[in-house]
Amino acid sequence: AQSVTQPDIHITVSEGASLELRCNYSYGATPYLFWYVQSPGQGLQLLLKYLSGDTLVQGIKGFEAEFKRSQSSFNLRKPSVHWSDAAEYFCAVAPKGSNDYKLSFGAGTTVTVRA
Amino acid sequence: DAGVIQSPRHEVTEMGQEVTLRCKPISGHNSLFWYRQTMMRGLELLIYFNNNVPIDDSGMPEDRFSAKMPNASFSTLKIQPSEPRDSAVYFCASSPTNLQGRDEKLFFGSGTQLSVL
Repeated sequence: AQSVTQPDIHITVSEGASLELRCNYSYGATPYLFWYVQSPGQGLQLLLKYLSGDTLVQGIKGFEAEFKRSQSSFNLRKPSVHWSDAAEYFCAVAPKGSNDYKLSFGAGTTVTVRA
Repeated sequence: DAGVIQSPRHEVTEMGQEVTLRCKPISGHNSLFWYRQTMMRGLELLIYFNNNVPIDDSGMPEDRFSAKMPNASFSTLKIQPSEPRDSAVYFCASSPTNLQGRDEKLFFGSGTQLSVL
């Protein structure tokens, strides 16, 4: 069965420190991979996505993610977090092909930033 | 652009009542999605429209749920009769194309927080 796992439910990080959010997927073939961010009371916003090619993907707000096929992972990183990065982060996958509209989301990781 | 507009932002109703959620996608987008977010099940795709036509409604929980898209600028999600387990945040999202694989993305509305008492 296809699945997306975000092992960390909640992460607390100090402002200025680095952040890494984990995402693992289980799929028949390498899917499209996405990271979305949701601020309180808001809808989701796309941070970045991996479609093919370079396995290190740059996104908005200083985020990057690395696709590792051997580990079935797509971890999100930011070198130095800002208080405004406090939010919930969702990893998502979509199959390649005619069903590529079908995003499957992980359970999310809540990030708290302390001063 | 105002983005994807959903109304109402909050809805509180009693079990058995009909609930209608509304969505106005971004102008020019031809794909529209309804998602439901709960603590237990996370984000789930309920239904997907392309060019106003329902393409995939396999995520609609049961017959109490129905969705329509009468034109390119408006969609509704209706629950009749509503039940307490329907309490969730319902998101509408639109996209310029039907392919995530292209250099496009989903634009989400701010959601409707539904509470069924």
